[in-house]
Amino acid sequence: DAGVTQSPTHLIKTRGQHVTLRCSPISGHKSVSWYQQVLGQGPQFIFQYYEKEERGRGNFPDRFSARQFPNYSSELNVNALLLGDSALYLCASSFDLNEKLFFGSGTQLSVL
Amino acid sequence: GQQVMQIPQYQHVQEGEDFTTYCNSSTTLSNIQWYKQRPGGHPVFLIQLVKSGEVKKQKRLTFQFGEAKKNSSLHITATQTTDVGTYFCAGLHSNDYKLSFGAGTTVTVRA
Repeated sequence: DAGVTQSPTHLIKTRGQHVTLRCSPISGHKSVSWYQQVLGQGPQFIFQYYEKEERGRGNFPDRFSARQFPNYSSELNVNALLLGDSALYLCASSFDLNEKLFFGSGTQLSVL
Repeated sequence: GQQVMQIPQYQHVQEGEDFTTYCNSSTTLSNIQWYKQRPGGHPVFLIQLVKSGEVKKQKRLTFQFGEAKKNSSLHITATQTTDVGTYFCAGLHSNDYKLSFGAGTTVTVRA
């Protein structure tokens, strides 16, 4: 079975641009979560979606938004990119809420 | 905000020695999960603890959940080079069910 897949793997953007990151969960998993990981730190919670509804939001500005589609895949959108948005963005899926997370390999975003 | 603190940040271990990493939360946790991230990789689930005082073992790894469900520890015995990586605890807070990760303990092993 395929694991969690994320695209693209790497991305370079300039300040002020917009970015869309994509995630396909493990087949049968209904929940998708997004995390931001800066080098040397733990993953920071951004969003959790379950059955296409937002179930949790972390302390991130409104420039960050996400959605989950009927096939349970998900997109993370970031508008008006700042230098500080440079990070590894991790998507994780789980079969149900509050269960163990399976992480994708992440999208490394660099904002110049 | 709710935080999960993890110490030490770095652990340099002689191969064959034991070490422990500790995790503390400011609020009561519904459960705590542990993940391992190898250099250049992504976090991989190790274990989940749910009950107060719970202890679980995976070969050389022993995980504990505190009686008050606010702290946890991971103890590794007879460290091997395969143990290299960063170990994260992640606590699920009882009041909002958000999973908060600690900053991690990065382990290096001297052969």
